[in-house]
Amino acid sequence: KAGVTQTPRYLIKTRGQQVTLSCSPISGHRSVSWYQQTPGQGLQFLFEYFSETQRNKGNFPGRFSGRQFSNSRSEMNVSTLELGDSALYLCASSLESTSYNEQFFGPGTRLTVL
Amino acid sequence: SQQGEEDPQALSIQEGENATMNCSYKTSINNLQWYRQNSGRGLVHLILIRSNEREKHSGRLRVTLDTSKKSSSLLITASRAADTASYFCRTSGSRLTFGEGTQLTVNP
Repeated sequence: KAGVTQTPRYLIKTRGQQVTLSCSPISGHRSVSWYQQTPGQGLQFLFEYFSETQRNKGNFPGRFSGRQFSNSRSEMNVSTLELGDSALYLCASSLESTSYNEQFFGPGTRLTVL
Repeated sequence: SQQGEEDPQALSIQEGENATMNCSYKTSINNLQWYRQNSGRGLVHLILIRSNEREKHSGRLRVTLDTSKKSSSLLITASRAADTASYFCRTSGSRLTFGEGTQLTVNP
């Protein structure tokens, strides 16, 4: 079974631009979660989607948004990029929308904002 | 907070030694999970221990859970340089949040 895939793997943007990251979960998994990881802030939870609905949300500004499609693939969007948005963005999938389940992580998208 | 918090923040040992890291949490849980992250990569699920279990093994990994103390330990025996990574715990009541992790360095 193929693992979680994320595209692109690396991205360079400039301040003020917007970016869209994509995540394809493991086949059959219906929950997708997104995380931001920076050296200073550690691993921060962004949001979780399950069956096309946002189920949980972390403490991030409205510039960060996401969605999930009927095939469980998910995208996250960051508008009006700031230098501080430079980070590794990780997505994880799990069978169901509950923190009881183990999560399977993708390799991440490394975003650099100049 | 509900999330697990790992301790110590950093641990440096020699190859062949055992490494122990701890996780503490504050609320009742259904299970606790340990993950490993190699530098710049996604997290990898290592082991899940349920609240009614006290100890679980997987290869060189041994996890214990003490629900009365709200703590868990991850022991890696006979460590290898390839075990160098960050280790995170997450509780079932954590709303999918992780702690800061323990950075383990195994020196060859």
